[in-house]
Amino acid sequence: KQEVTQIPAALSVPEGENLVLNCSFTDSAIYNLQWFRQDPGKGLTSLLLIQSSQREQTSGRLNASLDKSSGRSTLYIAASQPGDSATYLCAVRGTGFQKLVFGTGTRLLVSP
Amino acid sequence: DTGVSQDPRHKITKRGQNVTFRCDPISEHNRLYWYRQTLGQGPEFLTYFQNEAQLEKSRLLSDRFSAERPKGSFSTLEIQRTEQGDSAMYLCASRPPAATNEQFFGPGTRLTVL
Repeated sequence: KQEVTQIPAALSVPEGENLVLNCSFTDSAIYNLQWFRQDPGKGLTSLLLIQSSQREQTSGRLNASLDKSSGRSTLYIAASQPGDSATYLCAVRGTGFQKLVFGTGTRLLVSP
Repeated sequence: DTGVSQDPRHKITKRGQNVTFRCDPISEHNRLYWYRQTLGQGPEFLTYFQNEAQLEKSRLLSDRFSAERPKGSFSTLEIQRTEQGDSAMYLCASRPPAATNEQFFGPGTRLTVL
């Protein structure tokens, strides 16, 4: 059974800092991995999708990496801003499955 | 196209009542998913449709839960005889057929069972 863990559970940083969020998964037989952002009481916004054959994806100030063999992914946020404050979730889709398996998220607070 | 929409956004009901939620996916997305999210947790998969066919169901989807996608467009999720443990955010997502594997989520329906 696939299990996804995110560390840290919460993170508080001053504006301008670069930061790294971590995601680990127990079964390396994945099809892809997706990073999402969730604002309080809202739905999920997709940030980046990495296919199993890829090592990283970039979008603006965000960079996500994937090391499938070690079961890890990182989300790097450059020059953090108060508007980045949200919960960040990673989710994996296992090979042969349609569903996403989510971690419990990292709650990020960026202070001005 | 404005993305995945869900209705209602909030629902408060008394224990034992039936509730129904609706999801309208992005146009031409033939795959549709339902997830449930409780406070402080990540979403958990409930069920998956490809067109009108319900192809996968989680063990979380007890006999009190039923989902339909009658014409392969919108979907409904019904909960019968609601319990306080059903209180959660119910999220719908859709995905296009082949070009991308990205799931796009709606704003969710927040259910509170009193």
